[in-house]
This record gives sequence, C-alpha cells and structure tokens, in this order.
Amino acid sequence: SQQGEEDPQALSIQEGENATMNCSYKTSINNLQWYRQNSGRGLVHLILIRSNEREKHSGRLRVTLDTSKKSSSLLITASRAADTASYFCATPQGGSEKLVFGKGTKLTVNP
Amino acid sequence: DAGVIQSPRHEVTEMGQEVTLRCKPISGHNSLFWYRQTMMRGLELLIYFNNNVPIDDSGMPEDRFSAKMPNASFSTLKIQPSEPRDSAVYFCASSLYQGDNEQFFGPGTRLTVL
Repeated sequence: SQQGEEDPQALSIQEGENATMNCSYKTSINNLQWYRQNSGRGLVHLILIRSNEREKHSGRLRVTLDTSKKSSSLLITASRAADTASYFCATPQGGSEKLVFGKGTKLTVNP
Repeated sequence: DAGVIQSPRHEVTEMGQEVTLRCKPISGHNSLFWYRQTMMRGLELLIYFNNNVPIDDSGMPEDRFSAKMPNASFSTLKIQPSEPRDSAVYFCASSLYQGDNEQFFGPGTRLTVL
C-alpha cells in the first residue's frame, strides 16, 4: 500500500533558487527518510528524521516533520543543476524493516 | 567499499525465457531487499530477507517469481517464464538493521522482455 505521497509530481526551477518538496503519509511512523535518484541510477539515501524530531539539516538540505499533520518537507537551498533528480520519501511499514516509497518528485534545475 | 553490486546491468530476453538477476549486498549488512520500478507503479518491494531468511514475500507478483539468498553475500531473483509485463528496472538494496533502516541501493538491472 502506498504510504508516502510526494507533492508536486514535478518541479522546474532556475539554478540558485530553493526547491521545496512535500510528502504526506497515512499511519504512525518512527522515522521518515528522503532519497534521491538520478536518471538511470539507484536511489541514494539523503536524510532520516525521527518521529521525535521536528527539523533536521544536512548541508543544503533541510527536512521538517509534522507528525500531527502526517507530513514532511524537503527543502534544497541554492539549487544546482546537479540537483536535478527524482526525490522520494520513504516510511517504515508497521514495525518492520520494510520501507514504502512514494512515487517521487521530479526536480529539474535549469542552469 | 564497493557498494551493492548487481548483475547484469541490462538484460534483453524473449517472452518465455528464464531470467536470473543477481545481487551482492554490502559486506556486514544483514537485510536484503528486491524492488521493481516502473513508470506506472513506481517502486515496489518484492521481497526482503533478514539474515538470509525470507521475511516478507507479499510483493512477489506471482509464482513465476522466486528469490533465494543462499548466503550473506549473494541473492538471486528469478523469473520463469518471463513475460513482457515484467519489463522494469529491478533494484537490490541492503541495510544493517538496527532500529533505523537506511537502505543502500545497487545500480539496478534494466530488464526488457520482448
């Protein structure tokens, strides 16, 4: 079953601008993860935020988590052409190791 | 660290043929996952193993699909007989499950069934 749903499905911005992607999920979670997938490649883990955290930073990435709204956002600041990729949120299913991925946001950063 | 290794990277076969995809997880990881990615259905978990034991195969589409993990450093996903609708990118991922479960993905195998 689909747990995370990203919004928007596609986003096109200019280099230097900020990009914000959102993820909504349905059930209680103990963590939420964001992954990046470059065209033709496997997914790469970006950041994990736990349910007791509200915000987390990693370089130009900022992730927020609102468990009351069952939503998360990923902000990429000062975007670069190399940030062009699809971004997925993923949440554990139940108490298992299974991660359920959304369908992703396709980000295009134009030089 | 070589990361997760998958082979072949590309496979083109004809309907009805047997296809075997291979995966070598990161050394020391205790969980292995097989995913399928298509435009229509996104990324779907097919099966996962923990300590070489299949834990959840509820995502395996039908009996034509089977997966094995004979040891901690090798897993296979087999499709027999293959059908055109099996065309997709198949990813293997591994993790060291310790409560949080960051997964490390391989480069994928692009399967085309004609």
